Amino acid sequence: EVQLVESGGGLVQPGGSLRLSCAASGFTFSSAWMHWVRQVPGKGLVWVSHINSDGSSTSYADSVKGRFTISRDNAKNTLYLQMNSLRAEDTAVYYCTRGGWLQALNYWGQGTLVTVST
Amino acid sequence: DIQMTQSPSSLSASVGDRVTITCRASQNINTYLNWYQQKPGKAPNLLIYAASSLQSWVPSRFSGSGSGTDFTLTISSLQPEDLATYYCQQTYNTPPWTFGQGTKVEIK
Repeated sequence: EVQLVESGGGLVQPGGSLRLSCAASGFTFSSAWMHWVRQVPGKGLVWVSHINSDGSSTSYADSVKGRFTISRDNAKNTLYLQMNSLRAEDTAVYYCTRGGWLQALNYWGQGTLVTVST
Repeated sequence: DIQMTQSPSSLSASVGDRVTITCRASQNINTYLNWYQQKPGKAPNLLIYAASSLQSWVPSRFSGSGSGTDFTLTISSLQPEDLATYYCQQTYNTPPWTFGQGTKVEIK
């Protein structure tokens, strides 16, 4: 059974940093492209970032470019999102997702809430 | 960036009704279009990929169609468990792979 379990969310002050983790199991993690998607509570889904299977290629939404860094450790089956210079508008539930055929996001974690506030 | 526009933003229909949700891309995306279902308080689930291919768990009352810029998600006979918000997403070419704003489906 495919499982994606996020952790690392919480309350952080504006300008602060946080690192999200996503532990993957039930599939060959080292072969999968992975993505982060976020959702402000009550609002829509926003694609944030992706990383290819060996970590050599990444991309970001303009809203997080230069502040967020996606990475992975294929030996630990874990995906990361390092978030720096956090802003109030980064407050959201962050989902770890797996890219499938044509990068359709075919598995999702339960999400972890990041709150940026004083 | 490719913009995705869904309509309507919400709808209310009765059990057994046929429901149609549309998604329009700001440029040609071939069939690189996916649909997701998000039930209240839950993570989204992939419903349809490549415009018309159903995930294995999806009931046959769901269908997807379209190519180019115009796409449709149809529920042929709405059921109570279909209460959810539905999102389209394009995964054409290079990122960002944008979502539509969502369509909330309510049961009358």
